[in-house]
Amino acid sequence: NAGVTQTPKFRILKIGQSMTLQCTQDMNHNYMYWYRQDPGMGLKLIYYSVGAGITDKGEVPNGYNVSRSTTEDFPLRLELAAPSQTSVYFCASSYSTGTLEGYTFGSGTRLTVV
Amino acid sequence: AQRVTQPEKLLSVFKGAPVELKCNYSYSGSPELFWYVQYSRQRLQLLLRHISRESIKGFTADLNKGETSFHLKKPFAQEEDSAMYYCALSGSARQLTFGSGTQLTVLP
Repeated sequence: NAGVTQTPKFRILKIGQSMTLQCTQDMNHNYMYWYRQDPGMGLKLIYYSVGAGITDKGEVPNGYNVSRSTTEDFPLRLELAAPSQTSVYFCASSYSTGTLEGYTFGSGTRLTVV
Repeated sequence: AQRVTQPEKLLSVFKGAPVELKCNYSYSGSPELFWYVQYSRQRLQLLLRHISRESIKGFTADLNKGETSFHLKKPFAQEEDSAMYYCALSGSARQLTFGSGTQLTVLP
């Protein structure tokens, strides 16, 4: 069982560069989420999706974009990287909305913007 | 708005001692509460959920609606319990809101 797979695991970007963080799940989950984890700040929701073709903003969406063309994939796009986006990014998925089974998380992408 | 507060960023206990990780929440409706754990170099994973009233790895958590708390407890801590623990709430928005986390270190 692959679960939730994130790539890359690590990345260093220069200010102003762009990149896409990939997230794929093979559990046929409808719901997918992107969180960022900053030291001492916990996890903040960036974007989420309740199904293919449907996305919505979370708590900290500025500077990011997402798409959900298939049930399996939920990529996160950074268009103009800024030092404030240095963080660890987690993708997660759930069958429903966090009840019962909870979320399944990916292993994270550690991004540094210099 | 829903909010989760974990007042302790760091917590150290000795092996065999009781441990309690505090979690308080703010939510006007009936919340669903969870504890997630992240061991070193591993991904975040669900530890337990209040609706199941379960005990996982010796940990329990009771929802106290009067005190709006969901503290995580274990009577005898083990070294392998050392990890980052997050309390999380699922409210009307049907998304998980996480606390800032508590890093637990169990000393030998």
